[in-house]
Amino acid sequence: DVQLVESGGDLVQPGGSLRLSCAASGFTFSDYAMHWARQAPGKGLEYVSTINSKGDSTYYAESVQGRFTVSRDNSKNTLYLHMVSLRGDDTAVYFCARNRGGRSYDFNDYWGQGTLVIVSS
Amino acid sequence: EIVLTQSPATLSLSPGDRATLSCRASQPISDYLAWYQQRPGQAPRLLIFDASKRATGIPARFSGSGSGTDFTLSISSLEPEDFAVYYCQHRFNWPPFNFGQGTKVEIK
Repeated sequence: DVQLVESGGDLVQPGGSLRLSCAASGFTFSDYAMHWARQAPGKGLEYVSTINSKGDSTYYAESVQGRFTVSRDNSKNTLYLHMVSLRGDDTAVYFCARNRGGRSYDFNDYWGQGTLVIVSS
Repeated sequence: EIVLTQSPATLSLSPGDRATLSCRASQPISDYLAWYQQRPGQAPRLLIFDASKRATGIPARFSGSGSGTDFTLSISSLEPEDFAVYYCQHRFNWPPFNFGQGTKVEIK
C-alpha cells in the first residue's frame, strides 16, 4: 500500500527555519513527482511546491518562493521541505502528496496525514 | 496564475439530497480539474480527476462535469459520510496547481 508519513513539524520562532520530511513507501518513489500543500488552522488548502521525479526541477507558490526549498533523496525514498525566514502566516499543517501521473505533472492521488508547523514567539 | 473560485461557500442539505458544487477558473483550463473531499481531521482524498473521471474506489454517486472555465461536482444522493469540505484544483500547463477556497457541505 502507498504510504506517506510526514515529520519535522514543530513550534518555531518568527524568522526561524525548519526542515520537514516525508517518508514514502509502497511504490517506486523515483518514478513519481511529488507535491507539498498546506492548510492553516480553519482555512482551506494551499498549494506550496512541486518537485519532479529526478529532483532537478522545482516549482513554488509565490507566497513561499525564495524562502522554501523542496528536495528529495530517491535513495532514501524521502521528500523534504526546507523552510527559512518563517512567518506567522506559515503556521499550518503541511501535507506531502504523490503525483498521480508519475513523472508527468498531475493531481495528488495519495496524501500523508500532515505535520503541524507553528510559527510563534 | 490561475485562480479557482468555488461556490457556494456553504451548502446546507439533508441526507438523500442532491448536491451541486461549482468551480470556476479565471482562464480556460481544458478539462484539467480535480475535486477532493476533506473530512474533519483527515487528509484530502482525490474524488474526480480530469473533470469527470472517478478516482479508484470512489462511489458512483460522485460525478464531475465541465470544461474550459466552468466545472461542477455532483453528489446524487448524500450519504452521512459525504458531509465534508470539497476543493477543486487545476493542473493546467505547469505548477503552481492552485486550489479553490472550498465548499462546505453541511447537514441542514
